[in-house]
Amino acid sequence: GAGVSQSPSNKVTEKGKDVELRCDPISGHTALYWYRQRLGQGLEFLIYFQGNSAPDKSGLPSDRFSAERTGESVSTLTIQRTQQEDSAVYLCASSLTGGLASEQYFGPGTRLTVT
Amino acid sequence: QKEVEQDPGPLSVPEGAIVSLNCTYSNSAFQYFMWYRQYSRKGPELLMYTYSSGNKEDGRFTAQVDKSSKYISLFIRDSQPSDSATYLCGQEGIQGAQKLVFGQGTRLTINP
Repeated sequence: GAGVSQSPSNKVTEKGKDVELRCDPISGHTALYWYRQRLGQGLEFLIYFQGNSAPDKSGLPSDRFSAERTGESVSTLTIQRTQQEDSAVYLCASSLTGGLASEQYFGPGTRLTVT
Repeated sequence: QKEVEQDPGPLSVPEGAIVSLNCTYSNSAFQYFMWYRQYSRKGPELLMYTYSSGNKEDGRFTAQVDKSSKYISLFIRDSQPSDSATYLCGQEGIQGAQKLVFGQGTRLTINP
């Protein structure tokens, strides 16, 4: 079946512009996560959605970052007034339940370059 | 101090060698431990998942957890060029499964 998909795969933007990154989770998965992976670094948690509960935004690095999810489907991560330090691969993952030991399935990521 | 420490490598070994990848963690409240494999320009994929101290084996891969020393390892036997990837150790956050806490990742190359 289809896995997690993300678009665009690559995005180059000028400093100060806003960008929107999209994630389509696996159908039926109630939990959705966003991570950031800087060059040569591990994954850094950004935000977590679980069903209709309030999202866990504890990983968002600044108020320039926001994310939305429509029901249990598509999610968009928005970065306003991009800075060069925002350059990274942004990974989305989904899991069936979001509970402990629920495997997270990752998309291929969006590679963001801020010039 | 980072919650999870992992030697970034790079690590390069000949085909057929036994590979040992290691992580240490600081918070003893972590319950679940996993290893993810990430090929270049791809998302990570779950390789192994374990809860308790001890060993868990899956084919050529063995995951080892030592909660007393807060140390986790991944062993790869009879390594193959297709094992060349970045290996990330991860732990489930103490506040539940809302997030995974990852190490930096070790880049591994298996030379034919």
